[in-house]
Amino acid sequence: DARVTQTPRHKVTEMGQEVTMRCQPILGHNTVFWYRQTMMQGLELLAYFRNRAPLDDSGMPKDRFSAEMPDATLATLKIQPSEPRDSAVYFCASGSAGANVLTFGAGSRLTVL
Amino acid sequence: GDSVTQMEGPVTLSEEAFLTINCTYTATGYPSLFWYVQYPGEGLQLLLKATKADDKGSNKGFEATYRKETTSFHLEKGSVQVSDSAVYFCALINTGFQKLVFGTGTRLLVSP
Repeated sequence: DARVTQTPRHKVTEMGQEVTMRCQPILGHNTVFWYRQTMMQGLELLAYFRNRAPLDDSGMPKDRFSAEMPDATLATLKIQPSEPRDSAVYFCASGSAGANVLTFGAGSRLTVL
Repeated sequence: GDSVTQMEGPVTLSEEAFLTINCTYTATGYPSLFWYVQYPGEGLQLLLKATKADDKGSNKGFEATYRKETTSFHLEKGSVQVSDSAVYFCALINTGFQKLVFGTGTRLLVSP
């Protein structure tokens, strides 16, 4: 089965450190989403891309978060500097516009101390 | 904007009981509707979907019918198993495959 691959699966870091999460979407998918999941807020959409261009990143704190797609096989989400409130599970999902279905990665669990 | 409302959890059932998880939506146009399931420690998986009014999505014994007149997409299963314990998310995508809007999720706990 084709799958979305996220790395790292787990990350523990100290406040102020830079964190980079990576996502390899399914080959041929042209839409990539980043979601954050916490107990308090549930699933929040942070950003999404179509054909590598950012379409909406209004859910992302702009001062510390950035999302990019340097090529079609890699999406990155960077937090600099990280804060304890960023502790969450970050999910990447990819899809193709015609199919209207998203496939999710297993998530990156981030803990900021 | 578009939104999805799900019933609060947790829903606690005994094995073989009947399950209903309510979901209603607000959207312009003609959205596609989805149920995703999240097992502990895993990402979300598509459970079923429906793309137009009166469509019924089904998978693994779960069913949901797209009701435009009541703007609902309730999830049902006739006989739940312990292995169905998970968090269930109702979601919609509006036309043009813009962002997938999720409900808050409903945790299901099934005891033997």
